[in-house]
Amino acid sequence: AQTVTQSQPEMSVQEAETVTLSCTYDTSENNYYLFWYKQPPSRQMILVIRQEAYKQQNATENRFSVNFQKAAKSFSLKISDSQLGDTAMYFCAFRGDSNYQLIWGAGTKLIIKP
Amino acid sequence: NAGVMQNPRHLVRRRGQEARLRCSPMKGHSHVYWYRQLPEEGLKFMVYLQKENIIDESGMPKERFSAEFPKEGPSILRIQQVVRGDSAAYFCASSPVSPFSDRGYGYTFGSGTRLTVV
Repeated sequence: AQTVTQSQPEMSVQEAETVTLSCTYDTSENNYYLFWYKQPPSRQMILVIRQEAYKQQNATENRFSVNFQKAAKSFSLKISDSQLGDTAMYFCAFRGDSNYQLIWGAGTKLIIKP
Repeated sequence: NAGVMQNPRHLVRRRGQEARLRCSPMKGHSHVYWYRQLPEEGLKFMVYLQKENIIDESGMPKERFSAEFPKEGPSILRIQQVVRGDSAAYFCASSPVSPFSDRGYGYTFGSGTRLTVV
């Protein structure tokens, strides 16, 4: 069975700093998709970034980038120049190529301090 | 283009009552997914529906829970005779095409309904 683990329940950094959230997963599938979602206090689940396993290049979306290490089954999210609006829960999610269900980690609460 | 709309945002029910949660997918999206989020946990898949069809309900408890997505109107997740353990946030997501047509699609989520059973 596929699992997703986020080992950092909470993180806190100063505004403008860079922060990295970790995520590891377990799967026997060779092709799959990985996602980071942001859940602010409004509770809306917002897609931040996605990565396809067969693409070696790490995905980047503005201040958000990932470090995808397929052999290590690691998928960390880096937020550069962090802003107060980045304060939220961040969830890592996995989708296998043979399924459509998203498998979610337990989340990391990120607090950006002014 | 409005996103995925869920209502009510908060719902309080006494034990034994029925809860009805509504989800209107994005315009043009005919595939709907329901997920449940327990406190301090990630989301768990419940059911996948297309218009008028339940495709996969493997994540939904077999008793008291049901879901529908009629030809007209929103998708409904119905919980009968609620118990305290049903207290959670229920999220709906939608996609415009079959999830096997675009495997990398990240789905569009609503803001969820927080159900509290007292």
